[in-house]
Amino acid sequence: GESVGLHLPTLSVQEGDNSIINCAYSNSASDYFIWYKQESGKGPQFIIDIRSNMDKRQGQRVTVLLNKTVKHLSLQIAATQPGDSAVYFCAERTGGFKTIFGAGTRLFVKA
Amino acid sequence: ETGVTQSPTHLIKTRGQQVTLRCSSQSGHNTVSWYQQALGQGPQFIFQYYREEENGRGNFPPRFSGLQFPNYSSELNVNALELDDSALYLCASSSAGTGRNNEKLFFGSGTQLSVL
Repeated sequence: GESVGLHLPTLSVQEGDNSIINCAYSNSASDYFIWYKQESGKGPQFIIDIRSNMDKRQGQRVTVLLNKTVKHLSLQIAATQPGDSAVYFCAERTGGFKTIFGAGTRLFVKA
Repeated sequence: ETGVTQSPTHLIKTRGQQVTLRCSSQSGHNTVSWYQQALGQGPQFIFQYYREEENGRGNFPPRFSGLQFPNYSSELNVNALELDDSALYLCASSSAGTGRNNEKLFFGSGTQLSVL
């Protein structure tokens, strides 16, 4: 079936450290993956995406890694800041119109 | 460029009632998707509208219906409300269209619906 899951529901990191948020997906036909950030009282906000023909993609302070062999996706945040505190969702699309979200990981940044 | 706006922000209804939620898509976007987000969970896809027609649906009953208007704005209607319908309803716009992939979703802040 379709599912996108996360390994850890909560992650706590020290300000300035790097954060790694992991995600497993089950649909091997998925060819596009996205990370969203959701702050309290707001809708999800696009962070970074990656296509299945890529292994790695970098943005500003964020990197997404895709391992299709084990169907694993990760989001790395460099030099984590208090403003990074939020819930992070991985999501996948399978060539159609539906974006499937995981349950989310809450990131706490300690000052 | 204006973002996705949703109204109302909060709504309280009683079981059995009907509700209409509204969404204005981001400028330049022609596709609107609706999601239901229960507390502590990820958004669940309800349906998507493109060119005023529903072109995809998730696992939601027929009492969840929608409309898209010529200006690409959209409505979500829920009939015969149940307690479990209490959730944050999110609207997202994109320029995906039918069959296109790899398009980002731009979300509004949602409507928090409470069913008592």
